[in-house]
Amino acid sequence: AQSVTQLDSHVSVSEGTPVLLRCNYSSSYSPSLFWYVQHPNKGLQLLLKYTSAATLVKGINGFEAEFKKSETSFHLTKPSAHMSDAAEYFCVVSAASGSARQLTFGSGTQLTVLP
Amino acid sequence: DVKVTQSSRYLVKRTGEKVFLECVQDMDHENMFWYRQDPGLGLRLIYFSYDVKMKEKGDIPEGYSVSREKKERFSLILESASTNQTSMYLCASRSAKTDTQYFGPGTRLTVL
Repeated sequence: AQSVTQLDSHVSVSEGTPVLLRCNYSSSYSPSLFWYVQHPNKGLQLLLKYTSAATLVKGINGFEAEFKKSETSFHLTKPSAHMSDAAEYFCVVSAASGSARQLTFGSGTQLTVLP
Repeated sequence: DVKVTQSSRYLVKRTGEKVFLECVQDMDHENMFWYRQDPGLGLRLIYFSYDVKMKEKGDIPEGYSVSREKKERFSLILESASTNQTSMYLCASRSAKTDTQYFGPGTRLTVL
């Protein structure tokens, strides 16, 4: 069994300040982990993914995430928030490559960026 | 570039109508998925398909069926729409060699 917990349902930051969106996971297998972003009334866009290579993963739009096995965490960060980053972010875990039934989504974190 | 398209962005139907939601991908992916997204409940898997004519129930298949006659197209069917099926529906596709899913823009369905 696997699960994903996004620790904050809402995060609010000022433009130009750092962003931290927290995600913890549990999995019986070596997981693949993803962050997706969803802008209002749009589909989900892949930001980045971890698949057992480097533990620090760089994604699009300046985002990155660090896989910490000892803490079972995969937090998403960005050094400086931009207004266009305002969206909902989903942390996702996949237990095993090729296993269609093992994709589990977190409940989402709504990011607000204040001017 | 990866592309998943859905036939409608917004759809309004009446209770009891039969509803078809279409999804097309141009990446020659084997696997395709239908999710619904509701506030506070996140994304929930309705059905998925391993390949042409192959389908498997997800977590909430009741009231839905699917069809995959061609590799690029995966249809979600609401046999008799009900108000509790008002939701955002998201289609995704994935190569069988990886576990990265690519999503379409979504269809916001309202059942009156």
